[in-house]
Amino acid sequence: DAGITQSPRHKVTETGTPVTLRCHQTENHRYMYWYRQDPGHGLRLIHYSYGVKDTDKGEVSDGYSVSRSKTEDFLLTLESATSSQTSVYFCAISERTGAETQYFGPGTRLLVL
Amino acid sequence: GENVEQHPSTLSVQEGDSAVIKCTYSDSASNYFPWYKQELGKRPQLIIDIRSNVGEKKDQRIAVTLNKTAKHFSLHITETQPEDSAVYFCAASTKNRDDKIIFGKGTRLHILP
Repeated sequence: DAGITQSPRHKVTETGTPVTLRCHQTENHRYMYWYRQDPGHGLRLIHYSYGVKDTDKGEVSDGYSVSRSKTEDFLLTLESATSSQTSVYFCAISERTGAETQYFGPGTRLLVL
Repeated sequence: GENVEQHPSTLSVQEGDSAVIKCTYSDSASNYFPWYKQELGKRPQLIIDIRSNVGEKKDQRIAVTLNKTAKHFSLHITETQPEDSAVYFCAASTKNRDDKIIFGKGTRLHILP
């Protein structure tokens, strides 16, 4: 597996609280992505980054924000978590563009009560 | 934007037989089509990909075919084995940009003994 870690790996939180998930890579890849995976929906893109401080929205960005202050770190923040954000969150990286192999992190399982 | 449809959602195949998963895409400008495999509790991993300048690509028991005119592509697994049991996702790159890919909703493949 490529050098990608996600933290935390599991989290239980309450509705209305802020949550930040971290993706860390040691590959020096330019692109980083946040996906959520839900039964029946596959992998849906939340936000992505094409460089330090360069980010853009994906299909399901409402209620999420991201930041990338360093090449190696990409943070996903749920400003005020809702039960609909209960999901498994995957980070992915790719070297030069999105149209090449994306390497996924191990995932974070988030439960919002 | 790009839309990727994947069928079937579930597929059961006798061990040793072939399995075929089909996907259609909406954007004729898409030019990159990867397939990912996700085993239970694991992260998705690329198993094969194809670009629009190629009609077919093979890697041992796995092959992908692309029909640009009809805007569909398929994954073929021959001589299926128990370790082929997993969820398979197709994806397509987005119009005029190589920043991201859009995934289909996945096919759960069961290999029956």
